[in-house]
Amino acid sequence: DVKVTQSSRYLVKRTGEKVFLECVQDMDHENMFWYRQDPGLGLRLIYFSYDVKMKEKGDIPEGYSVSREKKERFSLILESASTNQTSMYLCASSFSHDTGELFFGEGSRLTVL
Amino acid sequence: EDKVVQSPLSLVVHEGDTVTLNCSYEVTNFRSLLWYKQEKKAPTFLFMLTSSGIEKKSGRLSSILDKKELSSILNITATQTGDSAIYLCAVGSGGGADGLTFGKGTHLIIQP
Repeated sequence: DVKVTQSSRYLVKRTGEKVFLECVQDMDHENMFWYRQDPGLGLRLIYFSYDVKMKEKGDIPEGYSVSREKKERFSLILESASTNQTSMYLCASSFSHDTGELFFGEGSRLTVL
Repeated sequence: EDKVVQSPLSLVVHEGDTVTLNCSYEVTNFRSLLWYKQEKKAPTFLFMLTSSGIEKKSGRLSSILDKKELSSILNITATQTGDSAIYLCAVGSGGGADGLTFGKGTHLIIQP
């Protein structure tokens, strides 16, 4: 079974803190994604990566950055957390040749006070 | 800009009822349409529909893709309380690395 693991299920941070969300997949997938999910807004793509050290902006990249130093690991970074970044963050991965099925992690619920 | 619209946004029915959830899309280079079920955690995959596979069925769940109408329906028959969840529709377009565009989801509540 494909496993996508997000390191933290729940985090509480203060405004201005730097936040790292880690995601690891064990299926040798080329593509990895970070989404955030908010009530009434659905899932929105923040960043994605199709190869090591490659990254592309999604629909809402402002206030975020990412890092992909190894194929299996994709990190989301909030340089200076703000209250409007309180959300559920979902990591996902897929094969590059696939027609689109994403495999999701359990999610990281971030609260910024 | 790719767009996926789901309706209704929320639905409350009684156990045993049949429900139909709708998804319409406007995307360039349509590749696939996927349905996911999300309970309290990660979305879990239900179906993927493509030009070569426009109907899928699994137990009480079934889905049809209408490429002419740019839409899909997800049917659940003989609903059970365990079917309560958010149902997400997502569309893949362009290359495989572009991810999926998601609708806002339909929040389905099944009352005993």
